[in-house]
Amino acid sequence: DAMVIQNPRYQVTQFGKPVTLSCSQTLNHNVMYWYQQKSSQAPKLLFHYYDKDFNNEADTPDNFQSRRPNTSFCFLDIRSPGLGDAAMYLCATSLRLGVYNEQFFGPGTRLTVL
Amino acid sequence: QKEVEQNSGPLSVPEGAIASLNCTYSDRGSQSFFWYRQYSGKSPELIMSIYSNGDKEDGRFTAQLNKASQYVSLLIRDSQPSDSATYLCAVCPSTSLVFGQGTRLTINP
Repeated sequence: DAMVIQNPRYQVTQFGKPVTLSCSQTLNHNVMYWYQQKSSQAPKLLFHYYDKDFNNEADTPDNFQSRRPNTSFCFLDIRSPGLGDAAMYLCATSLRLGVYNEQFFGPGTRLTVL
Repeated sequence: QKEVEQNSGPLSVPEGAIASLNCTYSDRGSQSFFWYRQYSGKSPELIMSIYSNGDKEDGRFTAQLNKASQYVSLLIRDSQPSDSATYLCAVCPSTSLVFGQGTRLTINP
């Protein structure tokens, strides 16, 4: 089955220790997104890639970076995690941007910062 | 003013009844509207998309869109305990989705 996969499902890191979350997809979608979701809040878009074009949301902290080495994979790097970065990180994909861009989410990575 | 507004709930509905979830949005130019279901601790799952005014039905789910009133709703018929979840409304004003905070729905057996 075509799907969005995220690894690891649970990640524990220490304050200030860099961490990388990964996402892969077999849907062959052009767009990949990273969201941050904290408890009882809406998912917050951090950035997205349309193919190799990177688009950063204006309020995404510099501490968050992303890489997309190929169509299937996308990584979220948190350079110096703070306690406030503890959250669920969601990867999503869509075939296109704009109208009709149905987004499909992976299972998420729950990040704990000690 | 929030871009996408939903009543946070909790909304409690007896099993077998119709659950009605509502969402309003501020950007009149929005063209695409989506409902996601999110179980506690899980990721959002797309259940309905709607692009034109009127109703769209899929099984027990009906999405309703009224662009003039900037209003989109989701009806769940014959509600089941397994429908208990948070329902997120998402709107696409341009290139990316804007999510509401979600309505927590509880179906009581």
